[in-house]
Amino acid sequence: GAVVSQHPSWVICKSGTSVKIECRSLDFQATTMFWYRQFPKQSLMLMATSNEGSKATYEQGVEKDKFLINHASLTLSTLTVTSAHPEDSSFYICSAHGTSGRVGYNEQFFGPGTRLTVL
Amino acid sequence: DQQVKQNSPSLSVQEGRISILNCDYTNSMFDYFLWYKKYPAEGPTFLISISSIKDKNEDGRFTVFLNKSAKHLSLHIVPSQPGDSAVYFCAASARGSQGNLIFGKGTKLSVKP
Repeated sequence: GAVVSQHPSWVICKSGTSVKIECRSLDFQATTMFWYRQFPKQSLMLMATSNEGSKATYEQGVEKDKFLINHASLTLSTLTVTSAHPEDSSFYICSAHGTSGRVGYNEQFFGPGTRLTVL
Repeated sequence: DQQVKQNSPSLSVQEGRISILNCDYTNSMFDYFLWYKKYPAEGPTFLISISSIKDKNEDGRFTVFLNKSAKHLSLHIVPSQPGDSAVYFCAASARGSQGNLIFGKGTKLSVKP
């Protein structure tokens, strides 16, 4: 299957700092990337959808000024958690959706996730 | 309101037996359904999918059944193996939704040797 990487895999930061998480599709072009957040024992909750070269579409309740998403190329999307607070501590997962034959319609390939802990 | 529901948070099965994971949905616009497997601290891994034009899709030990009238789908794993122990998420997508997936809360499957 297609490979999606995330960096870093885990990060610990102080309250008030900003954290950037990278999501890369390694062997296909991702026209659309998705960012999810998962709290313990909860489902994956879609935060935003980003298309290459355009502004991200945020889900209701997700602050776009706090969670900055940039999808500058067909293989890279970044999520920046600005002025992080302890309640932002969570598992952040990206996924990529492409249009090549290798990535089927509606199949999203997920990154390994990033564990963010805000002290 | 949860559009995709997995009402069983956990399931325990003996190795070699069948595991049946259930999923219900409410949105009649969903036309594509997927199952993902997830280990702790890892991203989900795609397992199997089914389009709404089908009622069954099989891939090795994994079979997904779709009952559109009941808005219900299930994942059958047979025979179950200890390595199948993980959290299984059901997800659904609607036509024209740009591939957005709506996930259930997951069912933790434990396969005991």
